[in-house]
Amino acid sequence: QKEVEQDPGPLSVPEGAIVSLNCTYSNSAFQYFMWYRQYSRKGPELLMYTYSSGNKEDGRFTAQVDKSSKYISLFIRDSQPSDSATYLCAMSARSGGGADGLTFGKGTHLIIQP
Amino acid sequence: DAGVIQSPRHEVTEMGQEVTLRCKPISGHDYLFWYRQTMMRGLELLIYFNNNVPIDDSGMPEDRFSAKMPNASFSTLKIQPSEPRDSAVYFCASNPFPGGTQYFGPGTRLTVL
Repeated sequence: QKEVEQDPGPLSVPEGAIVSLNCTYSNSAFQYFMWYRQYSRKGPELLMYTYSSGNKEDGRFTAQVDKSSKYISLFIRDSQPSDSATYLCAMSARSGGGADGLTFGKGTHLIIQP
Repeated sequence: DAGVIQSPRHEVTEMGQEVTLRCKPISGHDYLFWYRQTMMRGLELLIYFNNNVPIDDSGMPEDRFSAKMPNASFSTLKIQPSEPRDSAVYFCASNPFPGGTQYFGPGTRLTVL
């Protein structure tokens, strides 16, 4: 079993829909959870950063962590065509992954249809 | 700030040739990471440095891969000899401290024929 599992998609939804992206993981030492967005032929950029269990909201984006289930989610409300990208979950046992890097999911390719 | 800078952006080479990828981290960032991204394996950490010192190179796939950071503003990832299975996008990332966000460069797309 891989440490982080993420459905690669593609996931195609109409503009304005609520999008739910998910990852599961096996390493109970992970405490820091991130979502990165990667546009085609670009580097990943950080979207959301959460610590331990709970929810965090930033504009149209909500990140949710359930450590008991080893399951994290990213919700996108009022999705826009500009949200079309690959979304990668990432996690670390240390803050920001600064001391030991990040373990990434393979990414979910999201397509928002106008 | 210009962000993390990587060069070249694209590299096409023949099997057996030496390849050198370059990275300039964001000024003041003490941590530098090299990742490799492929469709099959996703984004994998190869090696990371703290204050120019390699801390963990357990992700480096083989002895053909080596990385150096001679100073705080420059790092190289070298593959010698290169093989077709090394074809991937190689990313460099940096962050200022353990609690910091990792900032990624634009990547180098390597094709080994």
